[in-house]
Amino acid sequence: EVQLVESGGGLVQPGGSLRLSCAASGFTFSSYWMSWVRQAPGKGLEWVANIKQDGSEKYYADSVKGRFTASRDNAKNSLYLQMNSLRAEDTAVYYCARERGSHCLDSWGQGTLVTVSS
Amino acid sequence: EIVLTQSPGTLSLSPGERATLSCRASQSISSSYLAWYQQKPGQAPRLLIYAASSRATGIPDRFSGSGSGTDFTLTITRLEPEDFAVYYCQQYGGSLTFGGGTKVEIK
Repeated sequence: EVQLVESGGGLVQPGGSLRLSCAASGFTFSSYWMSWVRQAPGKGLEWVANIKQDGSEKYYADSVKGRFTASRDNAKNSLYLQMNSLRAEDTAVYYCARERGSHCLDSWGQGTLVTVSS
Repeated sequence: EIVLTQSPGTLSLSPGERATLSCRASQSISSSYLAWYQQKPGQAPRLLIYAASSRATGIPDRFSGSGSGTDFTLTITRLEPEDFAVYYCQQYGGSLTFGGGTKVEIK
């Protein structure tokens, strides 16, 4: 069974940093692109970033470019999102998700809440 | 960036009725890269349809997807109580984007 478990969320002040983790199990992690998607309270889904199987390609939404960095450790079956210069508008539940070949997201974690507030 | 516009914003229907949800893209996209998701309160989204018309594993056949170019449709033939939720379309055209969602609520 595919499992994705996010961690690392919490309360952080504006301008601060946070690192999210996503532990994957039940599939060959190194064979899949992985994505981060977020959802602000009461709002819709927003794709944040994705990363190729070997980490050689990474893409970001304009809203986070230059502030967030996706990375992965295939030996540890783990995905990460380093978030710097956080803003109030980054407040959201952050999900990690597995990408299929057609770039749809076929498995999702339960999400971790990031709150940016003073 | 390709923008996806979903309509209507809210659909009020009764169990057993047919639901038709629309997703319109700001420019033509490949059908291979159009997906639909269902999200219930407090839960992560669930993949329903990929490549515009292929059902994901375990998805009942009352859910179907169609369309091409800029216009795509998700149809739920007979609404079950568990189908009342928010539905999102998503495309990949160099980057991923989601539509704003359609809420299917009980009338």
